[in-house]
Amino acid sequence: GDSVTQMEGPVTLSEEAFLTINCTYTATGYPSLFWYVQYPGEGLQLLLKATKADDKGSNKGFEATYRKETTSFHLEKGSVQVSDSAVYFCALSPHTGNQFYFGTGTSLTVIP
Amino acid sequence: EAQVTQNPRYLITVTGKKLTVTCSQNMNHEYMSWYRQDPGLGLRQIYYSMNVEVTDKGDVPEGYKVSRKEKRNFPLILESPSPNQTSLYFCASSLMVGVTDTQYFGPGTRLTVL
Repeated sequence: GDSVTQMEGPVTLSEEAFLTINCTYTATGYPSLFWYVQYPGEGLQLLLKATKADDKGSNKGFEATYRKETTSFHLEKGSVQVSDSAVYFCALSPHTGNQFYFGTGTSLTVIP
Repeated sequence: EAQVTQNPRYLITVTGKKLTVTCSQNMNHEYMSWYRQDPGLGLRQIYYSMNVEVTDKGDVPEGYKVSRKEKRNFPLILESPSPNQTSLYFCASSLMVGVTDTQYFGPGTRLTVL
């Protein structure tokens, strides 16, 4: 079935470091791909999304490119800030169907 | 303010005592969904609804019921809660069926079943 696999955490980085959180997926057809962020004590918020191959989603300095050949949607940011500390979830929604599948989440802590 | 609200935010109960967690959205969204979040497992979809009176099972529906009598409300019902339903629950909604639409999440309900 459809699924998402993302890198294990937790991840701890110094401020201004480069961030990569890996995400790969298994799905038939052409799913839509998402990154959601969960700040402490809150619900999830959409960070960015991509709906077709080679699309790049971007928001708040974060980017992810939909790579169908490697079935990946890795999240990157060039220079993280303390305020980026949160849990990041990769997710997919199949092209046909109405369900969402989330990864296990990756906790990021950015230290000054 | 556009939002998804859930009540209660925290609940401690005992095995077998029926409970309902309410979810309401004020954005006129068609699609609503319930998830549970567990350490190491991420979010798993329990039930979803594409519109009034249309509901369907997600990946982990056992032990849960839902109803969608009005567009804005999507309550989650645990008829006979058990300790393995201790979890953090999130309700979410999106304007249309969620293939490409952004889901908006509620703040979560932390449930403990003793």
